Amino acid sequence: DIQMTQSPSSLSASVGDRVTITCRASQGINNYLAWYQQKPGKVPNLLIYAASTLQSGVPSRFSGSGSGTDFTLTISSLQPEDVATYYCQNYNSAPYTFGQGTKLEIK
Amino acid sequence: EVQLVQSGVEMKKPGESLKISCQSSGYNFATCWIGWVRQMPGKGLEWMGIINPGGSDIRYSPPFQGQVTMSADKSTSTAYLKWRSLKASDTAIYYCARVCSGWLDPWGQGTLVTVSS
Repeated sequence: DIQMTQSPSSLSASVGDRVTITCRASQGINNYLAWYQQKPGKVPNLLIYAASTLQSGVPSRFSGSGSGTDFTLTISSLQPEDVATYYCQNYNSAPYTFGQGTKLEIK
Repeated sequence: EVQLVQSGVEMKKPGESLKISCQSSGYNFATCWIGWVRQMPGKGLEWMGIINPGGSDIRYSPPFQGQVTMSADKSTSTAYLKWRSLKASDTAIYYCARVCSGWLDPWGQGTLVTVSS
């Protein structure tokens, strides 16, 4: 099975900061990677698929990049409503494993 | 609007059986698979498996193989997740989600399952 490792596990940043979260796959997954946002007490929500394609309705301050084994999720200017846990997910081959999550807080 | 509506909160005792549901609407159920995800209290998302709309092709994640049974009914656009004998460690929120091209979207609202004596 493919293992997905996110870093950091948690981070604290100020409003307006540029934030980057990294996801590494244990083997190449082409660009078959999705990112999800889960706000406290809420259902996870798709942000990005195919590593860099923004889901409809997601603010343009979110972006994704990468291919193969290394991927990043970037928030260009952190907003208070971005407080959440972010997960990456491999869908190159079953099981479609998730990363362990990155908890993002406002400093 | 595509919606996945899951069955309600469940409180069960260890050893009891349980079947929860996920009913889809707003799209052709036959065109996409359904995935199931577990979230234990205070923990991250765990991929449980995926089932095709006809229920003939199921891919369980290894930790869940033999622990749960997935099924689907095209006639009612509903997917199911079943336990034969619940354990306290099955306490979690269970999410279903539509899987058309690999990613999960949208998600159901989740079903909270609590197993306690």
